[in-house]
Parts: sequence; structure tokens; C-alpha cells
Amino acid sequence: AQKITQTQPGMFVQEKEAVTLDCTYDTSDQSYGLFWYKQPSSGEMIFLIYQGSYDEQNATEGRYSLNFQKARKSANLVISASQLGDSAMYFCAIRGSARQLTFGSGTQLTVLP
Amino acid sequence: IAGITQAPTSQILAAGRRMTLRCTQDMRHNAMYWYRQDLGLGLRLIHYSNTAGTTGKGEVPDGYSVSRANTDDFPLTLASAVPSQTSVYFCASAPGQGLYEQFFGPGTRLTVL
Repeated sequence: AQKITQTQPGMFVQEKEAVTLDCTYDTSDQSYGLFWYKQPSSGEMIFLIYQGSYDEQNATEGRYSLNFQKARKSANLVISASQLGDSAMYFCAIRGSARQLTFGSGTQLTVLP
Repeated sequence: IAGITQAPTSQILAAGRRMTLRCTQDMRHNAMYWYRQDLGLGLRLIHYSNTAGTTGKGEVPDGYSVSRANTDDFPLTLASAVPSQTSVYFCASAPGQGLYEQFFGPGTRLTVL
């Protein structure tokens, strides 16, 4: 079984500041992938970033980076230079040997002007 | 435009009625998934299909059935809807069973009265 825990139901950040969204995971698989998705108020699920368990470097995609600490089983999402359009729900997810995504409960991010 | 379409966009349904949610993808992805999203619970997997002709049960399969007659279509059926099936339903697909990102459809908002 695999599990994702997102302990921050809601977060606020000032525009242009950086913000870290926490994600911890639990899995017995040796090979797995960690994903972050964004869900704006319009409802669609938007893929942001992926980190493989064997990747030695942290993944980055533009303003998004994933702070992967394997020993701590954490995969925090860092958004640099926040923009108003970043206000959304953010989901962390894990995919292991079962090849199915398990999602966390999400963090609602609000970017303040 | 390549992607995933879902129909209907929203539906209000009387309890006890049968309902089929449609999902079609044109990316020739082998794997397809159905999730339900409920407030505070993130997305939970209902059923999945790793390839045409095969299906499997996810975390919350009771009350739902699926079929995968071809690569493109993956309908989800509620044989006799109950109010607890009120939710937003997302269909997703991925190229295969590996550690790929999943692409999501726009969702179907279902209300069972």
C-alpha cells in the first residue's frame, strides 16, 4: 500500500514570494514516482512536475521545483516568485509498482496581491 | 486537439437510476483510469484499465463498473445511483503502466438526489 500525506490544508503567500507545499509519502516499493498536480478553480487537473525515486537531482520545471528527500520520504513542491495565477489546489501523488496514482488530500494555495 | 473528453459535463440524477459517464481519449494511451474527487479526500481511484480488454478495481470500486472494449473509450457505469456517489468524476489516461504522468479529462460533476 502507498500513502500521501499533505498536512497543510491551506497556505497563503505574498505575490512574488516563494512558497513550499509539503508532501510526505509512504511506500514499500523501491521504484516509484512522485507527481504534483495543480487544480485551479475551473476544476481541471494540470500536471506540474515529476520526480523518480532513482533520480539523484531534484526535478525542476520553470518556477516549480521538487525538494526530494528520500530518507525523509518527503517530496515538497517549491514555487518561486508566486503569481496570482498560482492560486489553486495542489495535489501530491505517488505511483509505485501497482502503477496506480495515490493522491494526497491537497493544499489550497492563495497568492495575495 | 488531442486529449480526453468526458460527457456529460454535469448531471443531476435521481437515486436508483442507472447512469453511464463517458470518457474518450485520442492519444492512443494504453492505460485509463476513473477517479472520484470529494472535498477533503483528494482523488480516489475507482477502476482502471492497463490495456484494452482488461480492467481492475481501485480503492473505491463498489457501486461502479467499467468496460474497455477498445483503446479510446472507457465508460463508467453506476448501475443504481445512491446519494453517496455525488462527486466529481475524472477520467485519466497514461501511455502505459510505467511511471508516466497521467493526463486528466475535464471532469463530470454528478449529483444524486
